[in-house]
Amino acid sequence: EEQLVQSGGGLVEPGRSLRLSCVGSGFIFSDVWLTWVRQAPGKGLEWIGLIKSIANGATTHLAAPVKDRFSISRDDSKNLLSLQMDSLKPDDTAVYYCATGLKGSRLRNTLDSWGQGTLVTVSS
Amino acid sequence: DIVTTQSPDSLTVSLGERATINCRSSQSLLYTSDNRNYLAWYQQKPGQPPKLLIYWASTRESGVPDRFSGSGSGTDFTLTITSLQAEDVAVYYCQQYYGIPITFAQGTRLEI
Repeated sequence: EEQLVQSGGGLVEPGRSLRLSCVGSGFIFSDVWLTWVRQAPGKGLEWIGLIKSIANGATTHLAAPVKDRFSISRDDSKNLLSLQMDSLKPDDTAVYYCATGLKGSRLRNTLDSWGQGTLVTVSS
Repeated sequence: DIVTTQSPDSLTVSLGERATINCRSSQSLLYTSDNRNYLAWYQQKPGQPPKLLIYWASTRESGVPDRFSGSGSGTDFTLTITSLQAEDVAVYYCQQYYGIPITFAQGTRLEI
């Protein structure tokens, strides 16, 4: 069974950093593009970025609100996806999900497998 | 960036009745090289991650009940739930995957 298991998260002060992790299993991790989506309390889904497969250059794309503060990386030897979040702001408070599309190349960005989500709270 | 907008923001439907949710994009999501619309629908229940319901605007994900259907092309799309069941109470989102950044619409809250 395909699975994404997240770790990290918690309470962090404004301006500090935090790193989220997501480990995949049950599929060929190196083949997929991996996405981060967040959801502020009581709000909708916000795409924050993705990392392509190594075969596609492991290129990253980040949404405008986070592109100068967040970075995405992957370690396919460990089936590990990471989100490094720097200079955190209270507006970054949200549940963060990792997700991926497992249906093949044209459906890489239809997200049919999701992590369980992890809450990040940015507050002093 | 492609902007996607749903209507209505919330919807109350009786059990057994039909629910219709609309999604509009700021530019066409029809990719002419494969004649497919790059639009998906998700369902999210409280405390859970979203669940993919439909992709290519009208292809139902495996295991999704056939009372869920998607339609539309270009810039205007619809998610229809026929014969509403109690377990369909959720927030529904459309998502375009035509271009990066990928974007979700604001969501529609469906209640009984």
